[in-house]
Amino acid sequence: DTGVSQDPRHKITKRGQNVTFRCDPISEHNRLYWYRQTLGQGPEFLTYFQNEAQLEKSRLLSDRFSAERPKGSFSTLEIQRTEQGDSAMYLCASRGVGGSYNEQFFGPGTRLTVL
Amino acid sequence: SQQGEEDPQALSIQEGENATMNCSYKTSINNLQWYRQNSGRGLVHLILIRSNEREKHSGRLRVTLDTSKKSSSLLITASRAADTASYFCATVNFGNEKLTFGTGTRLTIIP
Repeated sequence: DTGVSQDPRHKITKRGQNVTFRCDPISEHNRLYWYRQTLGQGPEFLTYFQNEAQLEKSRLLSDRFSAERPKGSFSTLEIQRTEQGDSAMYLCASRGVGGSYNEQFFGPGTRLTVL
Repeated sequence: SQQGEEDPQALSIQEGENATMNCSYKTSINNLQWYRQNSGRGLVHLILIRSNEREKHSGRLRVTLDTSKKSSSLLITASRAADTASYFCATVNFGNEKLTFGTGTRLTIIP
């Protein structure tokens, strides 16, 4: 399977715990995006990487959130001191240079439940 | 924040009928895209229309864009049960990388 993969698919945690999600983009894609989707809403942009550089962050990304893409390949999204309001689906997407402009390929998502 | 809204929020039609959903947005855009999301699956890109285009076709899909009204429509012809999903429009502004999604239309095809 050469699509975008995310791990884990589901995560249940207690309030106050830290969680980390991983995204593996399509191998030749240099752009990687994180979005968050709550029930009944469309996805909302969180942050964007071009290679290893984090070029844009939404104000939704509070100080408790951090994202990295250390070698310009996979990315991690960490949430510290989770709150119930963090419960959502976290989606990762990637896009390559030279592809259809801004067509992003999405992974299956990580569903986070904070108890 | 959401870019705009989609209308209707939910739509149920008989298999074989056509389905039309609309999207309104708030700012000037570079392009507008439509995505489909099935239960338990990720978002799948359907079609992209640029701001200088007015209509685009892909298989059973037809998309229109009216930049003066800041609106777009997605028509699915000859619907099938497999078309049951949520449909989202998403816009990209000039000089920007991120997709800004609408609130989505939940489409149900009744066999």
